[in-house]
Amino acid sequence: DQQVKQNSPSLSVQEGRISILNCDYTNSMFDYFLWYKKYPAEGPTFLISISSIKDKNEDGRFTVFLNKSAKHLSLHIVPSQPGDSAVYFCAVRVYPGGGADGLTFGKGTHLIIQP
Amino acid sequence: NAGVTQTPKFQVLKTGQSMTLQCAQDMNHNSMYWYRQDPGMGLRLIYYSASEGTTDKGEVPNGYNVSRLNKREFSLRLESAAPSQTSVYFCASSEALAGVWCEQFFGPGTRLTVL
Repeated sequence: DQQVKQNSPSLSVQEGRISILNCDYTNSMFDYFLWYKKYPAEGPTFLISISSIKDKNEDGRFTVFLNKSAKHLSLHIVPSQPGDSAVYFCAVRVYPGGGADGLTFGKGTHLIIQP
Repeated sequence: NAGVTQTPKFQVLKTGQSMTLQCAQDMNHNSMYWYRQDPGMGLRLIYYSASEGTTDKGEVPNGYNVSRLNKREFSLRLESAAPSQTSVYFCASSEALAGVWCEQFFGPGTRLTVL
């Protein structure tokens, strides 16, 4: 049973426009939400995060919105650039125990920025 | 700084063979993790180590063992490889301060094929 769902396997957006990536989660007890970006043949790299006590967090062109009542997370990229073409993973923090923070990931959305 | 390094980058095994995937980090992080990513799926946590000398199971630990050799190194061993273990394996590390989320840094991955 997937705890984190990204229902759009791919998304195509024109350069300069807004890209909106969506993510739904199942457990209202999750407290930290993250977006990772992944290029082919590389490991994921951290993009932006948001705590459950907030509903918005911005970092340059990237903004993450959290709607706790809907259990929904979204990532906005404005303006979209060719280098943003990558797979984007939504992830939530889980507590395996012992002070380590494991992550549970969605399946990812492949964002393609068209020139 | 190299960050998180993984060896080998690619490996092909026959069913029943054993091998060890190596991971090292030079960021002096306390916590280290092993994930696997199957085609069309998100990353899933196999094992983690909250600190030197401790290891514990994640979401999908069956068929694997781990060793936290020292603070820098965290290895993943497949004792008897099975085709279901064909995947891309990612190692990650984080500072994991108590009560504070810290970014996980990922290595480039090891692509393993079991025939």
